[in-house]
Amino acid sequence: NAGVTQTPKFQVLKTGQSMTLQCAQDMNHNSMYWYRQDPGMGLRLIYYSASEGTTDKGEVPNGYNVSRLNKREFSLRLESAAPSQTSVYFCASSEGSLGANGYTFGSGTRLTVV
Amino acid sequence: GENVEQHPSTLSVQEGDSAVIKCTYSDSASNYFPWYKQELGKGPQLIIDIRSNVGEKKDQRIAVTLNKTAKHFSLHITETQPEDSAVYFCATGGGFKTIFGAGTRLFVKA
Repeated sequence: NAGVTQTPKFQVLKTGQSMTLQCAQDMNHNSMYWYRQDPGMGLRLIYYSASEGTTDKGEVPNGYNVSRLNKREFSLRLESAAPSQTSVYFCASSEGSLGANGYTFGSGTRLTVV
Repeated sequence: GENVEQHPSTLSVQEGDSAVIKCTYSDSASNYFPWYKQELGKGPQLIIDIRSNVGEKKDQRIAVTLNKTAKHFSLHITETQPEDSAVYFCATGGGFKTIFGAGTRLFVKA
């Protein structure tokens, strides 16, 4: 079982460039999430998708867009990268979007914007 | 707003000793309390969780206790091993309502 797969694992972008982070899960989970992890800031929710066809903003959505392509895939797009977006990005999934639903995380994408 | 405080931020123990990490939370309506382990270069992994109708839950060397009256819950690791070295995050809530603690870096010295 692959669980949650993220690509790429590492990326360096120049300021102003765009890119899409890909995420896929094979657990038939309904809900998917994008987090960023920064030193001293912990894990912060960027966007989530409670179910196929829906997306909602989290705590830090500015500068990002998302697409829930189908039940398996949830992508995160940076339209014009900024140095403040240098971070480690994690995709996660859960069976439901509320209640006693823990996450399965991917292995992360380490993004550097120069 | 709702928050979760986690202590200590760093914990160093000798192999074979026990380790305890404690979290306090503010939202009295919280009813789900997961714990995640993050090894270097990897994503967090759910290792144990507890629901509000249960006071304690064990899984081999790890256990979680919950005191709803005092609004705190703790992770207990017994007979620690070097592979337990990682960052541990407590959390409250589930799904998009999950609130994470700041993390505890555990070092197990061989």
